[in-house]
Amino acid sequence: NAGVTQTPKFQVLKTGQSMTLQCAQDMNHEYMSWYRQDPGMGLRLIHYSVGAGITDQGEVPNGYNVSRSTTEDFPLRLLSAAPSQTSVYFCASSYGDHSGDTQYFGPGTRLTVL
Amino acid sequence: GENVEQHPSTLSVQEGDSAVIKCTYSDSASNYFPWYKQELGKGPQLIIDIRSNVGEKKDQRIAVTLNKTAKHFSLHITETQPEDSAVYFCAASGGSQGNLIFGKGTKLSVKP
Repeated sequence: NAGVTQTPKFQVLKTGQSMTLQCAQDMNHEYMSWYRQDPGMGLRLIHYSVGAGITDQGEVPNGYNVSRSTTEDFPLRLLSAAPSQTSVYFCASSYGDHSGDTQYFGPGTRLTVL
Repeated sequence: GENVEQHPSTLSVQEGDSAVIKCTYSDSASNYFPWYKQELGKGPQLIIDIRSNVGEKKDQRIAVTLNKTAKHFSLHITETQPEDSAVYFCAASGGSQGNLIFGKGTKLSVKP
C-alpha cells in the first residue's frame, strides 16, 4: 500500500492565484482531514470528511474549499491564494473517527504564496 | 473549546539519557491522547496513544502517563538514541469540540 499520497510536494503561487492540493489514500479509510502546519503553531485542522459526499469545517477553514466524491480522494482548493496561506499542508486519513483513531499522514505539501 | 499546552518547546539530551515531554489539556471531557513523531521533511507518525480509562501505557522505550484529575499527560523516552531526534506533538480529542487538537510541538535533539 502507498498509504496517503500528496501532490505536489512544493508549490509557489502569486497572490490571487488558485490551485488544488491533491490527496489520495489506498487504505479504504472513511475519515480524511486536511491540516496546516505553521512554525510554533502545531497542526491545525482545516476541513475534514467522514465519508464520500460529506465534509465539514475544522478550526481554520476560511479561504479553503474541499469536496469528497470518492473514498480515496480528498482535494483541498485555494480559490484566491493569500500570503497568510503560506504553510505546510498535511492530509491525513483514519479508519474510524478521526478524533479517536490512528491518523495516517501524508508527506506534506509546502506552499509559498508571494 | 479544547486547548493543549506542550512543554518544553525544545529539549536537548545526551544519548542514553531519558526525555520527558509534558502536555496539559483544558476540556475534562477529552478521552483520547495520542503522541506523534515528525521527522524532518516528513508527515507526523503515531508513536503511542492512551485513552482516559488507562493511567499508563508502555511500548519498549516509550511510555505515556495520564493524570485525568490534573488534566495532564506526559511522554517518557528512556535510553534515548540519535534516531529519536525529531519534533514530537501531543494531542487531545473526544471533548465537546470533537476534533483532534494538537500541542505546538517539542523539538528533541539527542546528542551522541
